[in-house]
Amino acid sequence: GAVVSQHPSRVICKSGTSVKIECRSLDFQATTMFWYRQFPKKSLMLMATSNEGSKATYEQGVEKDKFLINHASLTLSTLTVTSAHPEDSSFYICSARSGGGVDTQYFGPGTRLTVL
Amino acid sequence: KNEVEQSPQNLTAQEGEFITINCSYSVGISALHWLQQHPGGGIVSLFMLSSGKKKHGRLIATINIQEKHSSLHITASHPRDSAVYICAVGAAGNKLTFGGGTRVLVKP
Repeated sequence: GAVVSQHPSRVICKSGTSVKIECRSLDFQATTMFWYRQFPKKSLMLMATSNEGSKATYEQGVEKDKFLINHASLTLSTLTVTSAHPEDSSFYICSARSGGGVDTQYFGPGTRLTVL
Repeated sequence: KNEVEQSPQNLTAQEGEFITINCSYSVGISALHWLQQHPGGGIVSLFMLSSGKKKHGRLIATINIQEKHSSLHITASHPRDSAVYICAVGAAGNKLTFGGGTRVLVKP
């Protein structure tokens, strides 16, 4: 099946720094990528939807200046957590949609961010 | 009421037992996903289905569009099946709506 990768898988950073997380579709072109956040023992929460070459659509309550999303190509989307704070510590997951007739969506393995 | 309801929330089984997890939804969908999340956090897509039944190894997923219900079955369960299983539904072009997950523990 289709493969989506994320890098890094784990990152620890100091408060105030920025962290970039990459999401790549390895064997298909992803017209749309989704970024999710997951708190411990909770389900996934959609943060934003990004379409290649256009601005991301953020869900209500998600700060677009805090979580910068770039979808520069059909195989790569990046999420940058700017000026990270301890409360940004979470598990971030991306998924990619291939644009097929059925809503085919493939998930990345996730990135665990810890902000000290 | 959540749009996607999973049951049970938690399930403990002995190795070898047959496991069933249920998912009911209240919206019209184009596809339903079953996902597996291990304690380390990584998510694996198990199935995506829009009708009928799919089988992969010891896993079977079924969906009844008229009843808005899907089931995930694990045959001959094994401790390595211990994980959280998540049902998610999507309408064409729209974002996914997730169930709360079912935490499965298979004891040896």
